[in-house]
Amino acid sequence: GENVEQHPSTLSVQEGDSAVIKCTYSDSASNYFPWYKQELGKGPQLIIDIRSNVGEKKDQRIAVTLNKTAKHFSLHITETQPEDSAVYFCAAGIGDSGYALNFGKGTSLLVTP
Amino acid sequence: NAGVMQNPRHLVRRRGQEARLRCSPMKGHSHVYWYRQLPEEGLKFMVYLQKENIIDESGMPKERFSAEFPKEGPSILRIQQVVRGDSAAYFCASSVSSLVGTRQMNTEAFFGQGTRLTVV
Repeated sequence: GENVEQHPSTLSVQEGDSAVIKCTYSDSASNYFPWYKQELGKGPQLIIDIRSNVGEKKDQRIAVTLNKTAKHFSLHITETQPEDSAVYFCAAGIGDSGYALNFGKGTSLLVTP
Repeated sequence: NAGVMQNPRHLVRRRGQEARLRCSPMKGHSHVYWYRQLPEEGLKFMVYLQKENIIDESGMPKERFSAEFPKEGPSILRIQQVVRGDSAAYFCASSVSSLVGTRQMNTEAFFGQGTRLTVV
């Protein structure tokens, strides 16, 4: 089955700096890669996603890159703010949105003022 | 338009009791997914349901666990004879299917706030 590895497990940055979280996956059939942000006591919230026919996608301060050959994808957050502090999960799936997504173990991001 | 609603938010059960977790998907959503999150872990897929049908339950333990999504009412995840290892956060997500070109695709999945089950 699919195995998603996520690094680092914790990340601390100064406000205004960039944060990068990396994930690798094992199943070459995976073609949908969402990123979720989870705040304490809340459910995961989709922040950006990418499908395997696209190499990069950007939404304001957030960008995701995908390298299908190497089977890895990354989340980039620029100009970080304290409210970006949360746990971020990458996931990989086949086909569509919420179906049988395989999640990484999460990265706890702390943005200090 | 309310989001995905899960209740209860917190549930405490003694070993051997039954736990019933409820999920009301977003209005208009006919696809429901249940995930389990253990402490310090990512979410693990359990089951995918559409109205009155189980599409894929490959992630759900064969015993003690069952799920349904009736024509009327919320989706229910039922855990019988709970054990301490069942303690986790259980999340429900929902999506809607739409036609994109000639292909039926599910839109983004929206997650509820979860039910935190503690077995004592």
